[in-house]
Amino acid sequence: GAVVSQHPSWVICKSGTSVKIECRSLDFQATTMFWYRQFPKQSLMLMATSNEGSKATYEQGVEKDKFLINHASLTLSTLTVTSAHPEDSSFYICSVSRTRAAGELFFGEGSRLTVL
Amino acid sequence: QKEVEQNSGPLSVPEGAIASLNCTYSDRGSQSFFWYRQYSGKSPELIMSIYSNGDKEDGRFTAQLNKASQYVSLLIRDSQPSDSATYLCAVKIGSTLGRLYFGRGTQLTVWP
Repeated sequence: GAVVSQHPSWVICKSGTSVKIECRSLDFQATTMFWYRQFPKQSLMLMATSNEGSKATYEQGVEKDKFLINHASLTLSTLTVTSAHPEDSSFYICSVSRTRAAGELFFGEGSRLTVL
Repeated sequence: QKEVEQNSGPLSVPEGAIASLNCTYSDRGSQSFFWYRQYSGKSPELIMSIYSNGDKEDGRFTAQLNKASQYVSLLIRDSQPSDSATYLCAVKIGSTLGRLYFGRGTQLTVWP
């Protein structure tokens, strides 16, 4: 597998504030990382693909100005939820893929965001 | 619409029994299939991957794939209470790296 670390594990913030989540690939250099979101009792949905040294690619319906992604190095990607609102409360999980052909993903521990 | 369907459960089996989890998918172009285990409050953990028709065994787990029927299943033999979790079926469609389509998961409870 792959070792992926996320921080923080959980965060509670007030509506209107911004929250930054870090994702680190600990055992290999990841040129690409993937951010997923999971609402309660729902399936995981891909939000965006983080590309090292270039702009992120967002899935349809995901606001790029609200979910800022930075992938400044081969081991670190960050997701910033700007002006968070209660409907942004969710479980955010980053992932990496070691092999393009196989397509399997390895997930970080996840970050649970609660917006009051 | 790319859909991955699972019975939401809950599925309850006694310790030592075989647990059978099922998944169907809508896109015939699907290429790779995965089963993840997710404990409550935790992130998904990959337990099985399968790419061609037939069975694939790994310890107590067996994944079965039938592309003609667009069906993939996971059997857990000698179920243990520690297997109690939600099992997510995931399907890779197309060539886009990192994009998997997940089902909502089947909640499994193994009682002692």
